[in-house]
Amino acid sequence: EDKVVQSPLSLVVHEGDTVTLNCSYEVTNFRSLLWYKQEKKAPTFLFMLTSSGIEKKSGRLSSILDKKELFSILNITATQTGDSAVYLCAVPDPPNFGNEKLTFGTGTRLTIIP
Amino acid sequence: DAGVTQSPTHLIKTRGQQVTLRCSPKSGHDTVSWYQQALGQGPQFIFQYYEEEERQRGNFPDRFSGHQFPNYSSELNVNALLLGDSALYLCASSPWAAGPYEQYFGPGTRLTVT
Repeated sequence: EDKVVQSPLSLVVHEGDTVTLNCSYEVTNFRSLLWYKQEKKAPTFLFMLTSSGIEKKSGRLSSILDKKELFSILNITATQTGDSAVYLCAVPDPPNFGNEKLTFGTGTRLTIIP
Repeated sequence: DAGVTQSPTHLIKTRGQQVTLRCSPKSGHDTVSWYQQALGQGPQFIFQYYEEEERQRGNFPDRFSGHQFPNYSSELNVNALLLGDSALYLCASSPWAAGPYEQYFGPGTRLTVT
């Protein structure tokens, strides 16, 4: 069974700090890894990573994948209060047909103090 | 485009009762997946519907059942509710055979079982 582990479970930092969130995985047929931000209810898509060592970047957020060591990190620089959320890591489980179901980690709850 | 919508927003039920949750997919999407997110946990895949048939199922008992209508909307039914069924129930829609990043999540239904 696919397994996704995130650390830390929670993190409290001051506005302006840089944070690194971790995600490790054990997957039978790895294709990609996804990061989501969940502020209140609906998770919203941030990044999809498929290749090792290639950084994906969007503003102050960036993410990278290490397929050899089976982990990914999500970095947020110059944090703002609007970054407070639960960050979820997920791996798709490719079926024999159709759409992939997602296996999620437990998430990291990030709190930014003004 | 209204995106993925779910109803009701909140629901309180008593142990042993039955509940029905509803999901309308994003315009142009024909596949609906349901996830259960317990407090402090990541979402867990329940099942997926396409062409009015259940296509994939996660590790959930038969008390959890669903339906998809010709207009692609979907219902999740849970019978004989247990306290442990208290959770946020998320619906995600996507085009059939789309990439995992194309799953859009709704705001969820918060179910409390007392």
